[in-house]
Amino acid sequence: DTGVSQDPRHKITKRGQNVTFRCDPISEHNRLYWYRQTLGQGPEFLTYFQNEAQLEKSRLLSDRFSAERPKGSFSTLEIQRTEQGDSAMYLCASSQDQSFGELFFGEGSRLTVL
Amino acid sequence: SQKIEQNSEALNIQEGKTATLTCNYTNYSPAYLQWYRQDPGRGPVFLLLIRENEKEKRKERLKVTFDTTLKQSLFHITASQPADSATYLCALENQAGTALIFGKGTTLSVSS
Repeated sequence: DTGVSQDPRHKITKRGQNVTFRCDPISEHNRLYWYRQTLGQGPEFLTYFQNEAQLEKSRLLSDRFSAERPKGSFSTLEIQRTEQGDSAMYLCASSQDQSFGELFFGEGSRLTVL
Repeated sequence: SQKIEQNSEALNIQEGKTATLTCNYTNYSPAYLQWYRQDPGRGPVFLLLIRENEKEKRKERLKVTFDTTLKQSLFHITASQPADSATYLCALENQAGTALIFGKGTTLSVSS
């Protein structure tokens, strides 16, 4: 399968711990996006990369959140000192277009903070 | 501020009927609008993109309209089937052109 893959699919952690999610986009896609989704809501934009450059970050992305995309390939999203409010589905997507064309989403990483 | 609203959180229809979902936006002038389908526990899947100069677009049983004067898009599923039951999301590029923003979605249930 050459779709967008995310790892881990599920993560349960205690408040205050750090967690890291990984996203492997479709190989020829130069844009990569991170979204967060809570129950009953649409995906909320967090950040996106054009190759290795992080071009936009939402105000939702507090100082505890950091995303990287070294060498313009896979990306990681790290959350430090997790809080219960961080519990959500973290979705990664990629696209080939220079503008916001069709996004290909992964299956998401579900985070539960106890 | 920019806003996307999708009509009623849930829509229940009978198999064979046409489902119509609405996406309204304010304080935008988007060049295009997208519709996605999301099943529980899965990531959204792209369905259709319609540009501002296109009034209507079709794909199999799906039809999307885009009225930039009303600032509204309608998404139709004709001859609906229980397999069409899912949440449907509309998405727009924000005014600054720096992000793709999603509505809350409308959950469609098609009963047989």
